[in-house]
Amino acid sequence: KNEVEQSPQNLTAQEGEFITINCSYSVGISALHWLQQHPGGGIVSLFMLSSGKKKHGRLIATINIQEKHSSLHITASHPRDSAVYICAVWKGAQKLVFGQGTRLTINP
Amino acid sequence: EPEVTQTPSHQVTQMGQEVILRCVPISNHLYFYWYRQILGQKVEFLVSFYNNEISEKSEIFDDQFSVERPDGSNFTLKIRSTKLEDSAMYFCASSVLLNEQYFGPGTRLTVT
Repeated sequence: KNEVEQSPQNLTAQEGEFITINCSYSVGISALHWLQQHPGGGIVSLFMLSSGKKKHGRLIATINIQEKHSSLHITASHPRDSAVYICAVWKGAQKLVFGQGTRLTINP
Repeated sequence: EPEVTQTPSHQVTQMGQEVILRCVPISNHLYFYWYRQILGQKVEFLVSFYNNEISEKSEIFDDQFSVERPDGSNFTLKIRSTKLEDSAMYFCASSVLLNEQYFGPGTRLTVT
């Protein structure tokens, strides 16, 4: 069983829709990353959080440490948001464990 | 804005050859990482490096792999004798502390 599970694996939506991507993990962690991987392969860190909620523009990330669950929300989605979104958790001192990613496609 | 750079962007090599993948982390960062992503699969941790030594490594990072920070700016990953299954995208990342990581654009390694 993967230590980090994301759902859904693929998500297609229309421009303007509210998007939610979920991440559940089974290991004890100190923090969780949400990453965005562009079609060309590059990876960008969106958030790192260890509790509560963070917001950056149209992106919101939440984490519930007790339930070992995090969500990434995108409001007013746009075709440029199309990418693979990856959840990764800190396991141990300096090791990130990655989920398999959620491929998001926003149609105009 | 400072960024992590990686060279080359694409490397093709023959099985059994040695390859060195190069990374220039952001200058004031202290922690350095290598990850790999086999096509169609998830990103996997290879190794973390701090204070000129390996902090943690995965089971993938066997004796065929080594890392070095030869001159205070570059951070390299060497694969001594490449295998077909080493074909992947290799990402370097760096961070100031154990927090937000900045990823390089990746090097696509193709072993034939």
